[in-house]
Amino acid sequence: KAGVTQTPRYLIKTRGQQVTLSCSPISGHRSVSWYQQTPGQGLQFLFEYFSETQRNKGNFPGRFSGRQFSNSRSEMNVSTLELGDSALYLCASSLAVISSYNEQFFGPGTRLTVL
Amino acid sequence: AQTVTQSQPEMSVQEAETVTLSCTYDTSESNYYLFWYKQPPSRQMILVIRQEAYKQQNATENRFSVNFQKAAKSFSLKISDSQLGDTAMYFCAFGSTDSWGKLQFGAGTQVVVTP
Repeated sequence: KAGVTQTPRYLIKTRGQQVTLSCSPISGHRSVSWYQQTPGQGLQFLFEYFSETQRNKGNFPGRFSGRQFSNSRSEMNVSTLELGDSALYLCASSLAVISSYNEQFFGPGTRLTVL
Repeated sequence: AQTVTQSQPEMSVQEAETVTLSCTYDTSESNYYLFWYKQPPSRQMILVIRQEAYKQQNATENRFSVNFQKAAKSFSLKISDSQLGDTAMYFCAFGSTDSWGKLQFGAGTQVVVTP
């Protein structure tokens, strides 16, 4: 079974631009979570989508948004980029079976650099 | 809110020896799950082991085992017979059914295995 894929793997943008990152979950996985990883703040939860609905959201400004499509693929968008948005963005998918907590499987990440 | 604390920024161990990583957490929830993830230099997050809070028996996966002390809110990872491929950042993570799709991560412990 193919793992979680993320595209693009690397991005360089300038301040004020916007960016869209894509995540394709493992086949059959319906939940997609997004995380931001930086040296200073570590791994921080952005949001989670299940059946095209955002079920959970972390403490990030409204410039960070996401969505999920009917095939469970997800995108996240960051508008008006700031230097501090430079990070590794990780996507993770899980089965999300009710009555159990399913482990998350991570993609390789998208490295975003904001100049 | 849950917090996860890893107090050891870095640990060094020789091949074939054993190393133990510590993790403590704080929560008021009763139904939760704990995980150890490994992030090698490739930055790919890999699940090492998981523990359900309702299970008293400590989880084991080959050379990896945990010591779960629920009352003390402690969740340590023991790596036995260390191998060079174990060199990575190790993250302790907390998840609960009250917060779908969100993992709360510790700051990580860098493990370096030397020949």
